[in-house]
Amino acid sequence: KAGVTQTPRYLIKTRGQQVTLSCSPISGHRSVSWYQQTPGQGLQFLFEYFSETQRNKGNFPGRFSGRQFSNSRSEMNVSTLELGDSALYLCASSPGFATNEKLFFGSGTQLSVL
Amino acid sequence: DAKTTQPNSMESNEEEPVHLPCNHSTISGTDYIHWYRQLPSQGPEYVIHGLTSNVNNRMASLAIAEDRKSSTLILHRATLRDAAVYYCILRHREGSGNTGKLIFGQGTTLQVKP
Repeated sequence: KAGVTQTPRYLIKTRGQQVTLSCSPISGHRSVSWYQQTPGQGLQFLFEYFSETQRNKGNFPGRFSGRQFSNSRSEMNVSTLELGDSALYLCASSPGFATNEKLFFGSGTQLSVL
Repeated sequence: DAKTTQPNSMESNEEEPVHLPCNHSTISGTDYIHWYRQLPSQGPEYVIHGLTSNVNNRMASLAIAEDRKSSTLILHRATLRDAAVYYCILRHREGSGNTGKLIFGQGTTLQVKP
């Protein structure tokens, strides 16, 4: 079974631009969540989707948004990029959202904002 | 969100057992204890999880205190490939439903010496 796939692997943008990151979950998984990882703040939860519905959202500004499609693939969008948005963005999938399920993470998209 | 406390770093010799502690004094009755690890340049990887009883799998063992306020991840024979950041996480229900949200702390950086 293929793992969680995130594209692109690396991305360089300039301030003010917007970016869209993609995540393809493991086949059969319906829950997708997103995390931001920076050296200073560590891993922080962004949002979680299940069956195209956002179930949970972290404490990030409205510039960060996401969606999930009917095939469970997910995208996240960051508008009006700031230097502080430079980070590794990780996506994770699981069959559902039960608290005893394990999450499978992708390798992430490394975003650099110049 | 329930919080966990872990040592910042630990060292081990190759082929020796490693005991990684985690305190979670505010754990509630329905919280599952999860452990993930993150190798350099990779997304987090599931290690093990449990609720009340000790758990074993091919990667590690999880020992949970009787009052559930602490737990210990046990790597029976550390290898160089086990050098990673280990995260102890509580997953709990929020509101009326479960959640896929993981709250990561700073984790424990494990160094394995040959």
